[in-house]
Amino acid sequence: DQQVKQNSPSLSVQEGRISILNCDYTNSMFDYFLWYKKYPAEGPTFLISISSIKDKNEDGRFTVFLNKSAKHLSLHIVPSQPGDSAVYFCAASPQRAGNMLTFGGGTRLMVKP
Amino acid sequence: KAGVTQTPRYLIKTRGQQVTLSCSPISGHRSVSWYQQTPGQGLQFLFEYFSETQRNKGNFPGRFSGRQFSNSRSEMNVSTLELGDSALYLCASSLTGGTGNQPQHFGDGTRLSIL
Repeated sequence: DQQVKQNSPSLSVQEGRISILNCDYTNSMFDYFLWYKKYPAEGPTFLISISSIKDKNEDGRFTVFLNKSAKHLSLHIVPSQPGDSAVYFCAASPQRAGNMLTFGGGTRLMVKP
Repeated sequence: KAGVTQTPRYLIKTRGQQVTLSCSPISGHRSVSWYQQTPGQGLQFLFEYFSETQRNKGNFPGRFSGRQFSNSRSEMNVSTLELGDSALYLCASSLTGGTGNQPQHFGDGTRLSIL
């Protein structure tokens, strides 16, 4: 039973355009959500997070949106750059339970020059 | 600021052996979590340690164990290795134990191959 799903295994975007990565979850206990970026042979790098008390969080080119009623979150990257090409993972956890992240399967983003 | 350090980076073992992996968290971080990444199962939570105590455990057999030392460094051990244990093992650290919005920061992992 996949509690966090990223339904798009890959996404291709032109440089300068917006990249939108999507993530769905099923566990109502999740109240803290994160996005990580991963390059080959490296560990995931934290990008941005959002608590369930918010519906939007922005950090530079990265914005995460949370729709609790739909159990859906998305990551927007504007403008997309070739260096953003990587695998993106969304992750979720129930905060009070400590640090135990449940990850989605990842979306490979390719930004073409 | 030094990141999460995992040693060794690569390891080759044979079935039936045991292995110990090491993780040094970011200075000041007290929570250390371990994850397994495989092509088939993706990234899966193994366990979390906070103040030398295991606070959470994922759905893995008892062959997988860990511990945390007083300086927050952590080790995980896998006994009686199986072919299916071949994976990238990732360690992550964070400041607190999940009572606030504290993201986990990952090391680059240990690539374990079982022959």
